[in-house]
Amino acid sequence: AQTVTQSQPEMSVQEAETVTLSCTYDTSESDYYLFWYKQPPSRQMILVIRQEAYKQQNATENRFSVNFQKAAKSFSLKISDSQLGDAAMYFCAYRSGGATNKLIFGTGTLLAVQP
Amino acid sequence: DAGVIQSPRHEVTEMGQEVTLRCKPISGHDYLFWYRQTMMRGLELLIYFNNNVPIDDSGMPEDRFSAKMPNASFSTLKIQPSEPRDSAVYFCASSEQPNTEAFFGQGTRLTVV
Repeated sequence: AQTVTQSQPEMSVQEAETVTLSCTYDTSESDYYLFWYKQPPSRQMILVIRQEAYKQQNATENRFSVNFQKAAKSFSLKISDSQLGDAAMYFCAYRSGGATNKLIFGTGTLLAVQP
Repeated sequence: DAGVIQSPRHEVTEMGQEVTLRCKPISGHDYLFWYRQTMMRGLELLIYFNNNVPIDDSGMPEDRFSAKMPNASFSTLKIQPSEPRDSAVYFCASSEQPNTEAFFGQGTRLTVV
């Protein structure tokens, strides 16, 4: 079975600085997708970024980028120029590329942004 | 589109009562998911549908839980009878195709006293 591990329960960053959130996963599959979701206090789950396992290039969305290391099964999220609105819980998630369509989530990292 | 719509946003009920959570997926999305979020277990998939048909319900905890999708624009998650350990945030999500992103509703916070 696939598992997703986020080893940092909490992180803190100064406004305008850069922070990296860690995520590792375990799978025997070669075809899969990885995601980072943000959950602010409003509770809404918001997709931040996605990465297809078959793509070697790391995904980027504005200030958000990932470091995808397939061999190491690592998928970290880098937030550049952190803003107060980035404060939230961040979840790493895995989805199989096969018939199983469910998302498997990590336990989350609570990010605080200090002004 | 207004996104995935869940109702109610908050529900407080007494142990033993029936609870029904509702979800309207994004129009055109063929996949609908029900997730539960608790402090102890994090986010876990309960069940998902494809074209209104339940595909995987292995995450449904007990027979007290049931889910239906009578049409493409509506789904319910029912707990009967409810217990205090069912207290959690329940999310509904939908996606267009298997490998596209899932869009989440704002969740229903259920408290069973």
